[in-house]
Amino acid sequence: DGGITQSPKYLFRKEGQNVTLSCEQNLNHDAMYWYRQDPGQGLRLIYYSQIVNDFQKGDIAEGYSVSREKKESFPLTVTSAQKNPTAFYLCASSVKVSGRIQPQHFGDGTRLSIL
Amino acid sequence: QKEVEQNSGPLSVPEGAIASLNCTYSDRGSQSFFWYRQYSGKSPELIMSIYSNGDKEDGRFTAQLNKASQYVSLLIRDSQPSDSATYLCAPRAGGTSYGKLTFGQGTILTVHP
Repeated sequence: DGGITQSPKYLFRKEGQNVTLSCEQNLNHDAMYWYRQDPGQGLRLIYYSQIVNDFQKGDIAEGYSVSREKKESFPLTVTSAQKNPTAFYLCASSVKVSGRIQPQHFGDGTRLSIL
Repeated sequence: QKEVEQNSGPLSVPEGAIASLNCTYSDRGSQSFFWYRQYSGKSPELIMSIYSNGDKEDGRFTAQLNKASQYVSLLIRDSQPSDSATYLCAPRAGGTSYGKLTFGQGTILTVHP
């Protein structure tokens, strides 16, 4: 089955600790995205990547870092600089078909909490 | 002004009624418009895409787009309790680069038996 796999489903972070959220896709999609969702809020873009070894900051990149070494993988690191990391993190991917960018599809998400 | 505004909820409708969800956007360059449904604790799933002015129907769902008014809506006919969820509107600017989707804050819909 093709899709986007996020792991772990739940993650707990201690004060001062960096944690990494995994996102893998086997859809052969070029673009991948990371969003953060807080209770009762819409999705806010953290980072996105259109191609391997390239990525752009979204609206709330401070305290986060990403890498895109492989087309299939786009891990997100929540650093200790992110003082309020408790949220639902969603990874998405997208592709162009006949020149039109298709809607993003999402993984199942990772819930991050502070211990 | 927010980039994307959705009608404030929660919206409650009886089973079998029509639910009307509205969304206005500020970017006149928006060319693609998506509606996502998000059940509590789950990730968003795409339910409708619309690219041209007018109506687009898919089963019980109808999306309506008016670019001149910068307005997009989603109608759900014969609403069912299983339609109870948060609905997110997401316009996307045109162009060939992937760019970003801007999501509205969502409208919570409750369909009661």
